[in-house]
Amino acid sequence: AQKVTQAQTEISVVEKEDVTLDCVYETRDTTYYLFWYKQPPSGELVFLIRRNSFDEQNEISGRYSWNFQKSTSSFNFTITASQVVDSAVYFCALNNAGNMLTFGGGTRLMVKP
Amino acid sequence: EADIYQTPRYLVIGTGKKITLECSQTMGHDKMYWYQQDPGMELHLIHYSYGVNSTEKGDLSSESTVSRIRTEHFPLTLESARPSHTSQYLCASSEWDSGSGANVLTFGAGSRLTVL
Repeated sequence: AQKVTQAQTEISVVEKEDVTLDCVYETRDTTYYLFWYKQPPSGELVFLIRRNSFDEQNEISGRYSWNFQKSTSSFNFTITASQVVDSAVYFCALNNAGNMLTFGGGTRLMVKP
Repeated sequence: EADIYQTPRYLVIGTGKKITLECSQTMGHDKMYWYQQDPGMELHLIHYSYGVNSTEKGDLSSESTVSRIRTEHFPLTLESARPSHTSQYLCASSEWDSGSGANVLTFGAGSRLTVL
């Protein structure tokens, strides 16, 4: 069975602060894929990143960066210099080849001006 | 621009009514999904389809039903709505990325249902 845990239900920061959203996963598979999705107030889930289990290289995309640590089964997401537009619910998710996506419970990020 | 469309975006109805939530995608994806999202944010898979004439129940038991007569269309129906069905329903589709070996889902904007 697969499981994804996002321990932080809600985070509130002031604009320009850095913030890290935690994600811990459980799976028995050796090949699996990790994702982050963003859900703005408008409701749709927007795909942010995909990582496969063989690629532990961290990734940076603008103000976003992801830290994949297989040893601790974590796939954390950091937003640098947060902005009000970053306010959203963020979901971490996991699947293995052919299986359905398992989502974490989500972290609501509020960035205050 | 969205390639997966859900209608209606918002619906308020009375108990006992029959409703259909529409979902269409223009990407030619074989796999489609319905997720139910609690007010507390958690997403639960309620139905999925591998292709035309294929429908499966997801992890969360649901009184809704789905059909897949055409690749692009995956409607969800509630025969008799109840207040416990009040939720957001998200439709998604995906295709297998042979390069990465991953199954990336594209989501619609959601249908927010309120049953009085």
